[in-house]
Amino acid sequence: QKEVEQNSGPLSVPEGAIASLNCTYSDRVSQSFFWYRQYSGKSPELIMSIYSNGDKEDGRFTAQLNKASQYVSLLIRDSQPSDSATYLCAVNQNTGFQKLVFGTGTRLLVSP
Amino acid sequence: DTEVTQTPKHLVMGMTNKKSLKCEQHMGHRAMYWYKQKAKKPPELMFVYSYEKLSINESVPSRFSPECPNSSLLNLHLHALQPEDSALYLCASSYASRNEQFFGPGTRLTVL
Repeated sequence: QKEVEQNSGPLSVPEGAIASLNCTYSDRVSQSFFWYRQYSGKSPELIMSIYSNGDKEDGRFTAQLNKASQYVSLLIRDSQPSDSATYLCAVNQNTGFQKLVFGTGTRLLVSP
Repeated sequence: DTEVTQTPKHLVMGMTNKKSLKCEQHMGHRAMYWYKQKAKKPPELMFVYSYEKLSINESVPSRFSPECPNSSLLNLHLHALQPEDSALYLCASSYASRNEQFFGPGTRLTVL
């Protein structure tokens, strides 16, 4: 079983719609969860971090965490073509050091 | 200064060459990382330095040699690489006590 799983996509949404990206993880003791956006040929950019159950909102982005279900999601409201990118879910592996385990990423395509 | 810088942006080297990648941050972060990313794959952790000491080596071949001269600088020395080592090499940094990692723009390495 993969440690962090994401649907590879592509997830296609029209401009202005809500994009919903999902991620599951296997390590029950994970405490820290992150979403990175990566444009083609560029490096990952941190867009959200979440540490406790519930929702965390930042502008058009909302991260949701459910530790009981080992599930974390990212909602992007009012999607724009500039949001088209690969979104990587990352989970802290509880080794005592800051080791992140990345999912394979979901490619999002927002059409005008 | 809120960014991680990497030089060079691109590097082409032969299998007998010796080269170095450089990473710098001035955010007061005490943890620094090297990742390798192949096309359409997530970043793969290579090394972690915490307070200038190597704390994680993910069984990386000895042709890759990391160095952390001080808390702001991280180098990756390359020697006798193979064509399969061609990839995007990413540096990241974080506060030692937190897990949010910030990536530099990367060095695109091609081994001929």
